[in-house]
Amino acid sequence: GQNIDQPTEMTATEGAIVQINCTYQTSGFNGLFWYQQHAGEAPTFLSYNVLDGLEEKGRFSSFLSRSKGYSYLLLKELQMKDSASYLCASQDSNYQLIWGAGTKLIIKP
Amino acid sequence: GAVVSQHPSWVICKSGTSVKIECRSLDFQATTMFWYRQFPKQSLMLMATSNEGSKATYEQGVEKDKFLINHASLTLSTLTVTSAHPEDSSFYICSARDVSLSYNEQFFGPGTRLTVL
Repeated sequence: GQNIDQPTEMTATEGAIVQINCTYQTSGFNGLFWYQQHAGEAPTFLSYNVLDGLEEKGRFSSFLSRSKGYSYLLLKELQMKDSASYLCASQDSNYQLIWGAGTKLIIKP
Repeated sequence: GAVVSQHPSWVICKSGTSVKIECRSLDFQATTMFWYRQFPKQSLMLMATSNEGSKATYEQGVEKDKFLINHASLTLSTLTVTSAHPEDSSFYICSARDVSLSYNEQFFGPGTRLTVL
């Protein structure tokens, strides 16, 4: 079957680090995406992982373990503008995305 | 990065009317476009996959006669909500896949907010 799980909401402090976890069960797994979505706006691409390991891109990093069906998005040096929903999506062999419900990240000063 | 536009960005219509939403890939060719719907505080729900030159593939529970999709060219797909009702009020988002990229990232349009009175 196809399933994606991620926490509903997380709270972190400005300047700190936060890790958003995502577990998936996807037939014909073909990569894991992370998107950021601010309220009322469309999602914007953050990262893509298809091989095991950590991909670093500035303040954001994404990790994938295919054997465990697990990924995380790591946000460093949090800024208030990072307050948004973070969507985890796995891609299947037909290039369709299976979306998680999103994690609402609240940043406090 | 690749740009996807949507038009209109918002629309208010009366119940029973039809609304057309356009999705365009501006600087790349998109053989596949996806149409999503998102209700407040919920995740994206895939409605249909639109392939250029062929019929769209609809997800289970999505009425193909109500949500008409036309993908007439490599840069344009349209979604027509026919006989719209208040329950169709939602945020409609399209995305397009750039076949030239090895990992087939989907680029999203800015979304269309539909309000049916």
